[in-house]
Amino acid sequence: GENVEQHPSTLSVQEGDSAVIKCTYSDSASNYFPWYKQELGKGPQLIIDIRSNVGEKKDQRIAVTLNKTAKHFSLHITETQPEDSAVYFCAPADRGSTLGRLYFGRGTQLTVWP
Amino acid sequence: DSGVTQTPKHLITATGQRVTLRCSPRSGDLSVYWYQQSLDQGLQFLIQYYNGEERAKGNILERFSAQQFPDLHSELNLSSLELGDSALYFCASSAGPSGGAGEQFFGPGTRLTVL
Repeated sequence: GENVEQHPSTLSVQEGDSAVIKCTYSDSASNYFPWYKQELGKGPQLIIDIRSNVGEKKDQRIAVTLNKTAKHFSLHITETQPEDSAVYFCAPADRGSTLGRLYFGRGTQLTVWP
Repeated sequence: DSGVTQTPKHLITATGQRVTLRCSPRSGDLSVYWYQQSLDQGLQFLIQYYNGEERAKGNILERFSAQQFPDLHSELNLSSLELGDSALYFCASSAGPSGGAGEQFFGPGTRLTVL
C-alpha cells in the first residue's frame, strides 16, 4: 500500500505569516492529491485537491503544489488566521483505482497565534 | 455540515462487550467508508461499501464487521471490545465507487471509550 509521510507534525505561526506542510508518498500510481482539514471535534473536510496533470492550484489563501517526479506535494497557506488552526491531512490516491480508500498522512497540527 | 450523520456521538462500554455504530451517507451517495482515528495509529481506513456490497478492506480486525443496507445506511459492529479499541470512528461517503476520484464527505464521528 501507499506509504505517506507528512512534515512537520506540528507547526506554530504568527497570524499573517505563511505556513507550508509537505507530504511525500511512495506509490507512483497516485494521481490525485487532496488536503483535508480537521477542526477540533469534527470530521476531516476537503479544502483543496490537485490532479497529476497540474503542477499548482490556488484557492484564495490556500495553494497546493505538486512535484510528481520527487513524489511530494505541499499545502501553502498565506496570511494565516486563527481560524486556520486545525489538523491538516494529506491523502494521495489513485483515481484510476476501482477502490476508494484514502491513505492519510499522520497529520500536521497547525496553530496560528493572534 | 457534510450531510453525513453518525450515531451515537459518544459510546462508553466495557471490555468484552459489543457495540454498533450507525452511519447515514449524504443523499445520493452510494459509497460508504469507515475510518478509525487514534493517537497512535492516526486515521486508518477500515472498510468500504458500494451500493450494498463490500468494495475494499483495510486494517479491519476480525472482531469488527460492517454492512450496508438497501437504504444505503451502514453499520459498523465491534465485538469482544478491548481497551485498545477506544478511538474515534468516522464514516465518510462519496458518490461513486472510486473515492480516489474525488471528495469524501466525513461525518462528525463516534467517540468510543472502552473501560
